[in-house]
Amino acid sequence: EVQLVESGGDLVQPGGSLRLSCAASGFTFSTYTMTWFRRAPGKGLEWVSYISASGSTIYYADSVKGRFAISRDNANNVVYLHMNSLRDEDSAVYYCARPIKYSYDFGMDVWGQGTTVTVSS
Amino acid sequence: DIVMTQSPLSLPVSPGEPASISCRSSQSLLHSNGYNYLDWYVQKAGQSPQLLIYLGSNRASGVPDRFSGSGSGSDFTLKISRVEAEDVGVYYCMQALETLYTFGQGTKLEIK
Repeated sequence: EVQLVESGGDLVQPGGSLRLSCAASGFTFSTYTMTWFRRAPGKGLEWVSYISASGSTIYYADSVKGRFAISRDNANNVVYLHMNSLRDEDSAVYYCARPIKYSYDFGMDVWGQGTTVTVSS
Repeated sequence: DIVMTQSPLSLPVSPGEPASISCRSSQSLLHSNGYNYLDWYVQKAGQSPQLLIYLGSNRASGVPDRFSGSGSGSDFTLKISRVEAEDVGVYYCMQALETLYTFGQGTKLEIK
């Protein structure tokens, strides 16, 4: 079964750090791009970060650039989101997602269950 | 960044009636390969987002055929031919032409 499982969400103080993990199974992880999205309470879906299959190409939303870092471990089928200098507005459910086919960058047909990040003092 | 604009933002529909959601982009999503890089997703309460339509008009696996996507360039529509109670949720369009993906604001579909 194709599956993505996120973990690492927690309650953290403003200015703090967290590392989210997304463990993949059931497909050839190293051939797929991976993307992090989030949905803050009362708001819509927002793209956060993208990483190519090899990890050589990375993009960030302006709202997290310079504070978040995406990485992947293709040997262990995991993608990470390292979050630093967290702000109240980073509070959200974070999802990792995979596109419909390897080498594609559209049609996110597999999503994790989400992990909740709460930034509050 | 490409700005996506959806309408309406709220959509009350009676069961069995059709529904339509509009999505417009600030620039054309038509790639040189002839495909429109526009996805539709739905997020139901307590669930992760679910892909409905990709490349503007292709239904994802397992999506009922009452859902259809149409449009080209910068003007797209998601149609539900006959709304069912299980269709309640927030519907989003997302442009995938640029990997700096952007979503519409979301359309909340509710049953009258």
